[in-house]
Amino acid sequence: AQSVTQLGSHVSVSEGALVLLRCNYSSSVPPYLFWYVQYPNQGLQLLLKYTTGATLVKGINGFEAEFKKSETSFHLTKPSAHMSDAAEYFCAVSDSNNDMRFGAGTRLTVKP
Amino acid sequence: SQTIHQWPATLVQPVGSPLSLECTVEGTSNPNLYWYRQAAGRGLQLLFYSVGIGQISSEVPQNLSASRPQDRQFILSSKKLLLSDSGFYLCAWRGVGRSYYNEQFFGPGTRLTVL
Repeated sequence: AQSVTQLGSHVSVSEGALVLLRCNYSSSVPPYLFWYVQYPNQGLQLLLKYTTGATLVKGINGFEAEFKKSETSFHLTKPSAHMSDAAEYFCAVSDSNNDMRFGAGTRLTVKP
Repeated sequence: SQTIHQWPATLVQPVGSPLSLECTVEGTSNPNLYWYRQAAGRGLQLLFYSVGIGQISSEVPQNLSASRPQDRQFILSSKKLLLSDSGFYLCAWRGVGRSYYNEQFFGPGTRLTVL
């Protein structure tokens, strides 16, 4: 069965600093990997996804993630945090046999 | 393009009262539909999913139920609300077919407070 682990339920960075949100997955077949963002009292919005092809995926708002099969990871990064990046972030995995499974989420706080 | 609607946006209900939340999807046919709940400070909990009209699968036994009376309509109900039913309820859909990669698209959510 597939699963997702997000390391760190809360991450705090200073404005302008690197953002790194960690995600590890397990899947018995090639995975599809996703990052979603959720702002307060809103639904989830897709940031980026990896399905096939290039392992470095660029998304909206300057975020990117790299699929590393050997490490079973799909960490989300952004070179310079902005106050507007403060939100909850969810990593998710699916594959050709299974529906989407979500991680527990990471709350990102950006300090001025 | 596809859109997903949820209503109401917010709801305050007394304990023991009934509940009906509605979700509708436009611009697609025969989607898979999902209900999730987020309790305060917690992640997404899958409650129900549906692969077609009248077909409901329950992930967590509780006092909630779901129905799918039409292809693009998904309803979450309860006969008697509990305090623990408070939370943020999200509806989502996904297309069926290889090109979708099982990606789910979320509605704006309903904030339910049970007093």
